Amino acid sequence: DIQMTQSPSSLSATVGDRVTITCRASQAIGNYLAWFQQKPGKAPKSLIYAASSLHTGVPSKFSGSGSGTDFTLTISSLQPEDFATYYCLQYDRYPYTFGQGTNLEIK
Amino acid sequence: QVQLQESGPGVVRPSETLSLTCTVSGDFVTTSGYYCTWIRQLPDKSLEWIGYIYSNGNTNYNPSLKSRLDISVDTSKNQFSLRLLSVTAADTAVYFCAREAGYPARRFDSWGQGTRVTVSS
Repeated sequence: DIQMTQSPSSLSATVGDRVTITCRASQAIGNYLAWFQQKPGKAPKSLIYAASSLHTGVPSKFSGSGSGTDFTLTISSLQPEDFATYYCLQYDRYPYTFGQGTNLEIK
Repeated sequence: QVQLQESGPGVVRPSETLSLTCTVSGDFVTTSGYYCTWIRQLPDKSLEWIGYIYSNGNTNYNPSLKSRLDISVDTSKNQFSLRLLSVTAADTAVYFCAREAGYPARRFDSWGQGTRVTVSS
């Protein structure tokens, strides 16, 4: 299975900050990388697919980049509603595998 | 807008079979080009892809679960289902159904709210 390693595991930030989360794949996955946001007690919400394409309705403050093995999710101008856990997912090879998550907390 | 809703028992006894259903509204469960998928979130918050049934009936399962797993579709009820045999405490999780679009780009476009399953005697 492809291992997905996210960093950091947790991150403290302030409203208005810009943050970056990294996801690294154990082997090249092209651009078959998605990002999800999850709030407590809720289902994951799709943010980005194909490494850098925004899902419909997702604000442009979210951006993704990368290809091959290294990917980033950047969130600009953090607002209170952005504090959540973020997961990456590789969907290049089966079984699909997720990163372990990054918990974004208010400082 | 497509909506998904999971249903099933909250508690299952060890060694028994877990059966979950995902009801699709706003579209047909067999609409061409979609992967009807199950994903679970374990108590440590990690996410695990379980498998899917494609619109043509093909299935693909996580090898870690394949020997115990069956995903099927009931077109009369517009549902797809998961059956997991011989459950143990390690199968305790929140189970999500989701729909992955196949084109023009692979992406997860809909998720259910999740249903919590506890394996306990």
